[in-house]
Amino acid sequence: DSGVTQTPKHLITATGQRVTLRCSPRSGDLSVYWYQQSLDQGLQFLIQYYNGEERAKGNILERFSAQQFPDLHSELNLSSLELGDSALYFCASSPPGILNTEAFFGQGTRLTVV
Amino acid sequence: AQSVTQLGSHVSVSEGALVLLRCNYSSSVPPYLFWYVQYPNQGLQLLLKYTTGATLVKGINGFEAEFKKSETSFHLTKPSAHMSDAAEYFCAVSAFRSSASKIIFGSGTRLSIRP
Repeated sequence: DSGVTQTPKHLITATGQRVTLRCSPRSGDLSVYWYQQSLDQGLQFLIQYYNGEERAKGNILERFSAQQFPDLHSELNLSSLELGDSALYFCASSPPGILNTEAFFGQGTRLTVV
Repeated sequence: AQSVTQLGSHVSVSEGALVLLRCNYSSSVPPYLFWYVQYPNQGLQLLLKYTTGATLVKGINGFEAEFKKSETSFHLTKPSAHMSDAAEYFCAVSAFRSSASKIIFGSGTRLSIRP
């Protein structure tokens, strides 16, 4: 158990819908990262937050957005869903400062768009 | 900017044989390098990491990797494969020295173990 909690574990929804994925980082970690893993694209970095602020952005679609709240949990919002958005979405967290040498991953949320 | 190339999307070895998974990186700053393992239907688990210091890094489950700056490589090895090593392995790079870092992953190598 990495200490990073993602909910829900599985999500099935229809095209055009909107979903929210939730992530609770490890206690004390300030950074949260979101990744998308699909068969054709591999593991793609989406976005990083640090203590509530966006710090790095990757291949995140405009239909997707994220935020990190004052209690440091994070949410990834996916809207106008398409079949191609079906993937495993991972959240990871890392500690601050000089301890910031690795990321700890959650178990992921498997999103299926039908 | 950082990037990672993993050579071989699928590697198959016999049980007891040497495991060698190849990774080359590109980084504009001194890199932090990682190997993660992913078992079916699970998240990614850190196997080992290189930050600074000793270039030969030992990790969990008998795996080790050597950072070779001149070759920009960070290959993962294990002397004797076990059936339980069958999984997907990801090499990754980051510039983790700041709070504005991201880990960039390679495309992964699926390791199969033959009885």
